Amino acid sequence: GENVEQHPSTLSVQEGDSAVIKCTYSDSASNYFPWYKQELGKRPQLIIDIRSNVGEKKDQRIAVTLNKTAKHFSLHITETQPEDSAVYFCAASEGYQKVTFGTGTKLQVIP
Amino acid sequence: DAGVTQSPTHLIKTRGQHVTLRCSPISGHKSVSWYQQVLGQGPQFIFQYYEKEERGRGNFPDRFSARQFPNYSSELNVNALLLGDSALYLCASSWDSPNTEAFFGQGTRLTVV
Repeated sequence: GENVEQHPSTLSVQEGDSAVIKCTYSDSASNYFPWYKQELGKRPQLIIDIRSNVGEKKDQRIAVTLNKTAKHFSLHITETQPEDSAVYFCAASEGYQKVTFGTGTKLQVIP
Repeated sequence: DAGVTQSPTHLIKTRGQHVTLRCSPISGHKSVSWYQQVLGQGPQFIFQYYEKEERGRGNFPDRFSARQFPNYSSELNVNALLLGDSALYLCASSWDSPNTEAFFGQGTRLTVV
């Protein structure tokens, strides 16, 4: 089955700096890669997603890149703000069969 | 427009008991997925239903079962509860399939004692 590894597990950055979270996946059939933000005690919320036919996608301060050959995808957050502090999860899906989440990255933005 | 709603929000059960968790998707969404999230870990996929048919199943024992009703709401059932079943159970709905944006409910916090 699919295995998604996520690094780092914790990340502290100064406000205004950039944050990068990396994930690798094992199943070459995976074709959809969402990223979720989960604040303490709240539900996961989709912040950006990318499909396998696209290499990069950007939405304001958030961007995701995908390298299908290397089976890597990354989340980039620029100009971080304190409200970006949360746990971020990557995930990989091949469709109906299964959605596999990474282990999460706890991001702390220090004012 | 209401989001994904789950009930109950909290539940305490005794080992060996049975539990039923409920989920109402966003109006118009036909796909519902269930996840188990243990504290400090990512959600683990349990089931995915689309148009009332099971389309995906994760690595969970047969004690876990689910179904989707004609109105697209869903139930997750867990029999013979174990202490290790204590977790946050999340339901997510999407328009067509898991490969479209999924919206999560607030979850049901299950504690097995």
